[in-house]
Amino acid sequence: AQSVSQHNHHVILSEAASLELGCNYSYGGTVNLFWYVQYPGQHLQLLLKYFSGDPLVKGIKGFEAEFIKSKFSFNLRKPSVQWSDTAEYFCAVNTNAGKSTFGDGTTLTVKP
Amino acid sequence: KAGVTQTPRYLIKTRGQQVTLSCSPISGHRSVSWYQQTPGQGLQFLFEYFSETQRNKGNFPGRFSGRQFSNSRSEMNVSTLELGDSALYLCASSFSQSSYNEQFFGPGTRLTVL
Repeated sequence: AQSVSQHNHHVILSEAASLELGCNYSYGGTVNLFWYVQYPGQHLQLLLKYFSGDPLVKGIKGFEAEFIKSKFSFNLRKPSVQWSDTAEYFCAVNTNAGKSTFGDGTTLTVKP
Repeated sequence: KAGVTQTPRYLIKTRGQQVTLSCSPISGHRSVSWYQQTPGQGLQFLFEYFSETQRNKGNFPGRFSGRQFSNSRSEMNVSTLELGDSALYLCASSFSQSSYNEQFFGPGTRLTVL
């Protein structure tokens, strides 16, 4: 069965700092990878996704992620975070239709 | 386009009772998935329905069941509630069963079991 690991449970940064959130998955076949974000009091929403092509994908709000197949990783990055990026971030793998496997999430707190 | 809606938003039940949660997907979406979100376990997949058929099932006991109607609306039922069932139950819809389709999430139903 596939699994997803997010290495950081809680990250605290100051505004303008750079962000990298780790995500590793275990699955030997073709995967589709997603990062979702849950802002305080809001729904989970898609940040970005990868399913083929350029391993560096760009999402909303200046986020990007790089798929490294050899490392089974899909790390999320942002060069300069803002206070409004405070949220919980989830990495997810989908190999089978409507069944996504999520990591435990990383809570990001950005200090103004 | 209206988003995924879930009713009710909040629910308080006592142990042993049963509960039914409802989810209306985005218009045109035919796949509906359910997840349980808890602080300790993150998002755990419950099941997925497509065209009124359960296509995938997670590792939850048989007390958790669901169904999907011809208009793609879905319901989830939990019988004989236990304290550990307290959680946020999320519904997500997607256009098709393709695994590269993103899922659109509803606001969730917060279930508290006393």
